[in-house]
Amino acid sequence: GENVEQHPSTLSVQEGDSAVIKCTYSDSASNYFPWYKQELGKRPQLIIDIRSNVGEKKDQRIAVTLNKTAKHFSLHITETQPEDSAVYFCAASRSGGSYIPTFGRGTSLIVHP
Amino acid sequence: DTGVSQDPRHKITKRGQNVTFRCDPISEHNRLYWYRQTLGQGPEFLTYFQNEAQLEKSRLLSDRFSAERPKGSFSTLEIQRTEQGDSAMYLCASSVSTGKREGHSYEQYFGPGTRLTVT
Repeated sequence: GENVEQHPSTLSVQEGDSAVIKCTYSDSASNYFPWYKQELGKRPQLIIDIRSNVGEKKDQRIAVTLNKTAKHFSLHITETQPEDSAVYFCAASRSGGSYIPTFGRGTSLIVHP
Repeated sequence: DTGVSQDPRHKITKRGQNVTFRCDPISEHNRLYWYRQTLGQGPEFLTYFQNEAQLEKSRLLSDRFSAERPKGSFSTLEIQRTEQGDSAMYLCASSVSTGKREGHSYEQYFGPGTRLTVT
């Protein structure tokens, strides 16, 4: 089955700095990679996703890059703000019916004002 | 509120008791997923329904766990003879699939979860 590794487990930055979270996956058939943000005590919410036919995707201050050859993908947050503080999960899944994602263990991002 | 809802939000039970959780997905979503999340971990897949059919179950889902989605709308997850190791957040998510490649929506919408504590 799929195995997703996520690093770092904790990331502390100053407001305005950039943050990068990295994930690797094992199943070369995975072709959909969502990122979820989970604030304390709240539900996970999709913030950005990327499909394997695309190398990079941006949405305002967040971007995701995908390297299919190396089987890794990254989340980039620029100009971080205190409200970006949360746990971020990467996931990998493949088409073919169920799109069941395998999640990483999460990165706790702390943005200090 | 048109999002995914779960009931109850919190459940405390004694070891050996049975518990049942309910999930109401977004009304037009035909896919429904159950996950378990423990502290410091990402959600772990338990089972998945498309309409009323249970199409996939994780090996994490022991024979003490059963899930149903009788009319293809809400779903229930029952845990029999609870153990302390069952203590976790149980998340439900839903998504929609039109069955056409270009119509696939991959996004899963999560509910707020049911936090189970087994004493």
